[in-house]
Amino acid sequence: HSVLTQPPSASGTPGQRVTISCSGSDSNIGLNTVSWYQQLPGAAPKLLIYTNNQRPSGVPDRFSGSKSGTSASLAISGLQSEDEADYYCAAWDGSLSAGVFGGGTKLTVL
Amino acid sequence: QVQLVESGGGLVQPGGSLRLSCAVSGFTFSDYYLSWIRQAPGKGLEWISYISPSGTTIYYADSVKGRFTISRDNAKNSMFLQMNSLRAEDTAVYYCARRPLYCSYTTCLDSWGQGTLVTVSS
Repeated sequence: HSVLTQPPSASGTPGQRVTISCSGSDSNIGLNTVSWYQQLPGAAPKLLIYTNNQRPSGVPDRFSGSKSGTSASLAISGLQSEDEADYYCAAWDGSLSAGVFGGGTKLTVL
Repeated sequence: QVQLVESGGGLVQPGGSLRLSCAVSGFTFSDYYLSWIRQAPGKGLEWISYISPSGTTIYYADSVKGRFTISRDNAKNSMFLQMNSLRAEDTAVYYCARRPLYCSYTTCLDSWGQGTLVTVSS
């Protein structure tokens, strides 16, 4: 099982706001910053959010991130059909001295 | 244009070895931390290893420690992953990825290759 815990699935209708959670511990999210990735079918992951809540250039402001304690969240507002993808959180784990990913959340746009 | 291109994947028997390469272009290779990440078929992402710009700082996931070796050749704009003692559970698409200069931590990766498939099977 993954060090970071995400719900395996999430869903919403076009225009809705959805959130995806990522739960960790003191040694990873509690101490370090979180990134979020979007992976479309058959494609490499794409960086969506870094340093908890920062968006790289080109990422729409519909995507936002937050962190509190040992948990983080990704919010997607104004849901669109092209947002249907797998989403992963990631952080550095100081106890493991390794990077860790969440198990991924499959987002379905109904 | 930033590009990372992995190569070297293929079918290998359990206990065998493979060497993956990641050739990059479009940026100053020697300035960047780089990582390997893998994804087993139908599964999630797993961070494997990273290497500092000079090659002096290296970390591995426990799952590959002692079997895999990361290295880089800054003169050839290339990174490598030597994989020994391969197991069925190492079967995955292997990605190389770059940590951008605006990030100071390993799991911030802004550019990824297309991946190369490694299949470990008899």
